[in-house]
Amino acid sequence: TQLLEQSPQFLSIQEGENLTVYCNSSSVFSSLQWYRQEPGEGPVLLVTVVTGGEVKKLKRLTFQFGDARKDSSLHITAAQPGDTGLYLCAGPPRGSDMRFGAGTRLTVKP
Amino acid sequence: DAGVIQSPRHEVTEMGQEVTLRCKPISGHDYLFWYRQTMMRGLELLIYFNNNVPIDDSGMPEDRFSAKMPNASFSTLKIQPSEPRDSAVYFCASSLRINTIYFGEGSWLTVV
Repeated sequence: TQLLEQSPQFLSIQEGENLTVYCNSSSVFSSLQWYRQEPGEGPVLLVTVVTGGEVKKLKRLTFQFGDARKDSSLHITAAQPGDTGLYLCAGPPRGSDMRFGAGTRLTVKP
Repeated sequence: DAGVIQSPRHEVTEMGQEVTLRCKPISGHDYLFWYRQTMMRGLELLIYFNNNVPIDDSGMPEDRFSAKMPNASFSTLKIQPSEPRDSAVYFCASSLRINTIYFGEGSWLTVV
């Protein structure tokens, strides 16, 4: 069982559509991070959320940390083919050991 | 900065052989992580170091795996003997005080 459960596992949409992916846990996290990984490369940090209820925006990407700090969501508005990739959430359950979810593999078709 | 540097980038080896993966973290970073990524299990934390000291190796699959960090600028992950089920991408990553984690490009291991 994953400490961080991500859904959906796979998502294929058309360019211009909106989407939301989720990261859930039964544990409370001091912070959660979102990374994007492209084929043949390592994950790259997109954002860190720290405060319960926090919302952060990065261009067309909106990240939210749940009030109880157990879950997070990533919403993409008007998805583009360049958004294609594996989206991973991560958090330190014991303060310094960064654990990752299994990821959502997003494909945006032109 | 050059980023996290891993070698080799790709390795194909026969079952039973010893495999050594190398990592140079970003200068000044105090945390170093080794992860393994497969389609089935995702990104698994194998072991991590803080100031060159191993903190948690509970993710190391079994005694065939070992990791060392003799100094702040170098770490190795060794598999001996290797088995086909060890085939995966192995990532080294580093960070400063558990903020942004910077990943290397990975070492793609195939054991035949």
